[in-house]
Amino acid sequence: LAKTTQPISMDSYEGQEVNITCSHNNIATNDYITWYQQFPSQGPRFIIQGYKTKVTNEVASLFIPADRKSSTLSLPRVSLSDTAVYYCLVGARSNDYKLSFGAGTTVTVRA
Amino acid sequence: GAGVSQSPRYKVAKRGQDVALRCDPISGHVSLFWYQQALGQGPEFLTYFQNEAQLDKSGLPSDRFFAERPEGSVSTLKIQRTQQEDSAVYLCASSLRDSRGDTIYFGEGSWLTVV
Repeated sequence: LAKTTQPISMDSYEGQEVNITCSHNNIATNDYITWYQQFPSQGPRFIIQGYKTKVTNEVASLFIPADRKSSTLSLPRVSLSDTAVYYCLVGARSNDYKLSFGAGTTVTVRA
Repeated sequence: GAGVSQSPRYKVAKRGQDVALRCDPISGHVSLFWYQQALGQGPEFLTYFQNEAQLDKSGLPSDRFFAERPEGSVSTLKIQRTQQEDSAVYLCASSLRDSRGDTIYFGEGSWLTVV
């Protein structure tokens, strides 16, 4: 599985947009990029998945440049309840059960 | 409930004691996974079932760890002769089909503390 690098922590304020960039320089052709969110005392929750360009859902947007060596998760207008750990994962769909989470990015949203 | 259910939520075990952790996946989900999450770290893969077949157990840290899913629904993770380094959250997850591209749903985890 491709190794990912993401910031350890980020601070933000309510109403701001939060952008978390993940580096994955050795991403393979058939790898997808997936982001999970984990609140304290809960299991991880799928947020978004993409292969290239831009993906948007009701929770977040995922921006992937043409070289796919990085990706950016964008959380619009965060609230206190968005305080969580966010994990960037890269892997092939055929093997995506063997998720490699890494340490994630702890996002703290302040009032 | 509609989600993945795990029990017990919290377990304190004395070193050397055997523990069993139960997972009820979402009804009808074919695939089931176990992950281990140490404090301050991301979850790490332990094992994967497709129905009752254990297709991958490469992540189990030692032969003290054993998982089963005899009827293809409920699963149990058993840890024999627990040691302090086994203290972690054990997460169960399931997905509808064979996990290829399916969303994986996690339970809230079983918090194990070995004293």
